[in-house]
Amino acid sequence: GENVEQHPSTLSVQEGDSAVIKCTYSDSASNYFPWYKQELGKGPQLIIDIRSNVGEKKDQRIAVTLNKTAKHFSLHITETQPEDSAVYFCAARVMAGTAPIFGKGTTLSVSS
Amino acid sequence: DAMVIQNPRYQVTQFGKPVTLSCSQTLNHNVMYWYQQKSSQAPKLLFHYYDKDFNNEADTPDNFQSRRPNTSFCFLDIRSPGLGDAAMYLCATSREGTNTEAFFGQGTRLTVV
Repeated sequence: GENVEQHPSTLSVQEGDSAVIKCTYSDSASNYFPWYKQELGKGPQLIIDIRSNVGEKKDQRIAVTLNKTAKHFSLHITETQPEDSAVYFCAARVMAGTAPIFGKGTTLSVSS
Repeated sequence: DAMVIQNPRYQVTQFGKPVTLSCSQTLNHNVMYWYQQKSSQAPKLLFHYYDKDFNNEADTPDNFQSRRPNTSFCFLDIRSPGLGDAAMYLCATSREGTNTEAFFGQGTRLTVV
């Protein structure tokens, strides 16, 4: 089955700096890669996703890149703000109707 | 407006006493998932329904069962909760199709005493 590795497990940045979180996946059949933000005591919320036919996607301060050959994808947050502090999970899905398989999460702390 | 609703948000149960967690959705999605998330860990898939078809993960304990009486509702039953079952339980839904996102509820925090 699919296995998703995520690094780093914790990341501390100063407000205004950029943050990068990296994930690798094992199953070359995976074709959908969502990123979730989870705040304390809440369920994960989708913040951005990318499909296997796209190399990069951007939404305001958030961008995701995908390298299918290397089987890795990354989340980039620019101009970080304290409210970006949360746990971020990457995930991979093999096909429609299957469950996302999550990485172990990255705790991002943005200090002002 | 909440689209995936989990009740209750917090549940305390006694060791060995059966407990049921509920999930409802207003999205008319045909796929529903249950995840278990322990502190500082990633959500771990327990099982999911694809329409009425039940799919159990190989390492999900027999203590955990699920029911889906209709499209909108799904229940997680823990027959004899142990201390190790204390966790956040997350329900999610998605719609059949290519690469559709999963929507999560707010979760139910289960405490076993």
